[in-house]
Amino acid sequence: AQKITQTQPGMFVQEKEAVTLDCTYDTSDQSYGLFWYKQPSSGEMIFLIYQGSYDEQNATEGRYSLNFQKARKSANLVISASQLGDSAMYFCAMREGLRKLIFGSGTRLLVRP
Amino acid sequence: KAGVTQTPRYLIKTRGQQVTLSCSPISGHRSVSWYQQTPGQGLQFLFEYFSETQRNKGNFPGRFSGRQFSNSRSEMNVSTLELGDSALYLCASSLAGSFNNEQFFGPGTRLTVL
Repeated sequence: AQKITQTQPGMFVQEKEAVTLDCTYDTSDQSYGLFWYKQPSSGEMIFLIYQGSYDEQNATEGRYSLNFQKARKSANLVISASQLGDSAMYFCAMREGLRKLIFGSGTRLLVRP
Repeated sequence: KAGVTQTPRYLIKTRGQQVTLSCSPISGHRSVSWYQQTPGQGLQFLFEYFSETQRNKGNFPGRFSGRQFSNSRSEMNVSTLELGDSALYLCASSLAGSFNNEQFFGPGTRLTVL
């Protein structure tokens, strides 16, 4: 059964505005990590941000923040002040314990000038 | 610190041939994972190696194999290539492959099977 769900296949955002990319997950483990990656058209997967299941604070990395709602099992990525270079595919991923990292189907973000 | 490197970056093969892809992890990282990415199937996990042992395995046929060396470098091999093996193959490394370790990806090897 798929454990990571990204319900937005594609999204548009105006340059300089904020955008939220949704991610929900399903796990019965207590120890897990949530990751967001950006994949531009070049193909390379770029690590953006990490949130651990035991972390009480939401993770932030520059313009990226993770809205972690453990009870709802959601880990949405918020990009503030969007830039044209933010146009890419975005993947949410989860790792339980020492098991493999699994990915959602991705959201294609297009930033409009 | 150097990132994850993969060689070659591009490869063209014909059906029935075999191919070997190489991945050098970030210095100090002991876990290496491989993924196949295609437009139709998305990102699919192939296998993970940790300290020269396969720790996790995806649902791929036996034509796909891998190994890890004592310096943590990893190779994956695909024998008897099929047209459907055309894909971007991504390698990723992490410190110990645990849930609280970030996993960093290489630039990928784009394989085309004719």
